[in-house]
Amino acid sequence: DGGITQSPKYLFRKEGQNVTLSCEQNLNHDAMYWYRQDPGQGLRLIYYSQIVNDFQKGDIAEGYSVSREKKESFPLTVTSAQKNPTAFYLCASSTQVNYGYTFGSGTRLTVV
Amino acid sequence: EDQVTQSPEALRLQEGESSSLNCSYTVSGLRGLFWYRQDPGKGPEFLFTLYSAGEEKEKERLKATLTKKESFLHITAPKPEDSATYLCAVHKGGTSYGKLTFGQGTILTVHP
Repeated sequence: DGGITQSPKYLFRKEGQNVTLSCEQNLNHDAMYWYRQDPGQGLRLIYYSQIVNDFQKGDIAEGYSVSREKKESFPLTVTSAQKNPTAFYLCASSTQVNYGYTFGSGTRLTVV
Repeated sequence: EDQVTQSPEALRLQEGESSSLNCSYTVSGLRGLFWYRQDPGKGPEFLFTLYSAGEEKEKERLKATLTKKESFLHITAPKPEDSATYLCAVHKGGTSYGKLTFGQGTILTVHP
């Protein structure tokens, strides 16, 4: 079945450490997105990509980086510059004509 | 500034007690309004897309409506399995395709 796979489900980061969250889709969607979700707040856009080798900053890109080397993959790196990384991270994808997102199951990142 | 505001923040219902969730938006050039359902610890699941004022869509016990300033998600005779967080999001004109702005969500609890 087609879908989006995020891994790992849980991730623990030490102070000063970079970590990478994986997002893979087999839906043949052109666009992919990373959102951050905090309790009591809506989803906030971190980065998005419409085509391979191209991506744009969202509303809260500071302290994060992404790459889009393959259509199916859009990994997110949380760098040590992100001072408050503890959150639930969601990856999504969409086609050009259907604006509805398909979401992954999320990665919960905790700083220890 | 574009805003999406959902109310109430939390709603507790008895099984069979119908009610509505509200999503108010202030965006220029709305191209689509989306409703998602999110269960705890999981990614959002797509419910509806509404494109123009006056449009209505239904799915089982849920009915979504849209005006020029707000959308309602009506829940008729809810069951405990309808308990979830319901998210509203908008896609506005002039932005890169597929980039959505989310409200903070309404947490719905349905008691048996």
